[in-house]
Amino acid sequence: DQQVKQNSPSLSVQEGRISILNCDYTNSMFDYFLWYKKYPAEGPTFLISISSIKDKNEDGRFTVFLNKSAKHLSLHIVPSQPGDSAVYFCAASSLSGSARQLTFGSGTQLTVLP
Amino acid sequence: DGGITQSPKYLFRKEGQNVTLSCEQNLNHDAMYWYRQDPGQGLRLIYYSQIVNDFQKGDIAEGYSVSREKKESFPLTVTSAQKNPTAFYLCASSLGTAGELFFGEGSRLTVL
Repeated sequence: DQQVKQNSPSLSVQEGRISILNCDYTNSMFDYFLWYKKYPAEGPTFLISISSIKDKNEDGRFTVFLNKSAKHLSLHIVPSQPGDSAVYFCAASSLSGSARQLTFGSGTQLTVLP
Repeated sequence: DGGITQSPKYLFRKEGQNVTLSCEQNLNHDAMYWYRQDPGQGLRLIYYSQIVNDFQKGDIAEGYSVSREKKESFPLTVTSAQKNPTAFYLCASSLGTAGELFFGEGSRLTVL
């Protein structure tokens, strides 16, 4: 049973336009949400996070929105650039005892077309 | 430079052999993790360790073993009991409040 779902395996966007990547979750115990970017044959790199007590967090071209009632979050990239082409993973964080764990979605391959 | 180093980057193994993947970090992070990535799937947690000499099973620990004798090191052994070991393995460490993970470059294991 997937607790974090990214229902779109791929997304293509024109350079300069907005990219919107979506993520849904089922576990109300998640208290932080994170987005990671991954290039082939490399480890993921942390992009941006949001606490469950907020509904928006912005960092440069990247903005994450959280809708707790819908258990939905999205990552907006504006403007999109060809270098943004990568797999984007949504992750949700929760405390398990004294340990913090991340649960990852299956990823969305973003392709930014020049 | 601070970071996480995984080795080897590529590894081939015959069926029935154990293999150990190395993970070293100089970030002074207490927590370390091993994930596995398969095509079309998210990262799945194999084992994690919050402190030296202590570790816990993740979601898919069967067929794997770990040790945490030093804060900097968290090696993963893929044993012959792991039924489908061919995958991309990622080591990570964590310091942030939200559990932000810093990942190594990964090790691709192929069983022949």
